[in-house]
Amino acid sequence: AQSVAQPEDQVNVAEGNPLTVKCTYSVSGNPYLFWYVQYPNRGLQFLLKYITGDNLVKGSYGFEAEFNKSQTSFHLKKPSALVSDSALYFCAVRATYSGAGSYQLTFGKGTKLSVIP
Amino acid sequence: EAGVTQFPSHSVIEKGQTVTLRCDPISGHDNLYWYRRVMGKEIKFLLHFVKESKQDESGMPNNRFLAERTGGTYSTLKVQPAELEDSGVYFCASSQVGGTGDPGELFFGEGSRLTVL
Repeated sequence: AQSVAQPEDQVNVAEGNPLTVKCTYSVSGNPYLFWYVQYPNRGLQFLLKYITGDNLVKGSYGFEAEFNKSQTSFHLKKPSALVSDSALYFCAVRATYSGAGSYQLTFGKGTKLSVIP
Repeated sequence: EAGVTQFPSHSVIEKGQTVTLRCDPISGHDNLYWYRRVMGKEIKFLLHFVKESKQDESGMPNNRFLAERTGGTYSTLKVQPAELEDSGVYFCASSQVGGTGDPGELFFGEGSRLTVL
């Protein structure tokens, strides 16, 4: 069974400082990895994904994530946080094999990011 | 282009009553998914349609839940009879089939919050 862990329920960071939201995963075989963001009273919005290749993935709004296979991690990062980045962030994994259940995304519990002015 | 729309945004019902949630995916998206987030927990997969066919319904909690996708367009998720533990936010998502080796990304609706009293 696949799983995702987001060890921090909340991350607080000062505006202008770098931010990191942590994610580790477990899946059989190689993973597809995703980050989604949810702003208040909105649906989840896609930020970025890792498929294969370069371990550093760049996404929307200046976010990036680094895939580390040996540590089974996919941490989300941004060099300089904005107050508008305050939201709920979800990491998700999907198996790369084809077959029953392969389209399921498994999500973490989410990490609330608060950027303090 | 219209996004994924869900109706109602919030429903409050008594235990034992019936509720039907509706999802209109992005036009042309063959894949339609239902997910659920119970308060403070992970977003859990419920089921996956490809056009009008149920591809994977392994996440459906029990036979009180019935999902349909008429003509491969909109989808409904009926809960009958509702129980207290069914409370949560029900998300619908749709996607295109990605290219070879590309899983694509899901486009989520804003969710339907169900409260069972």
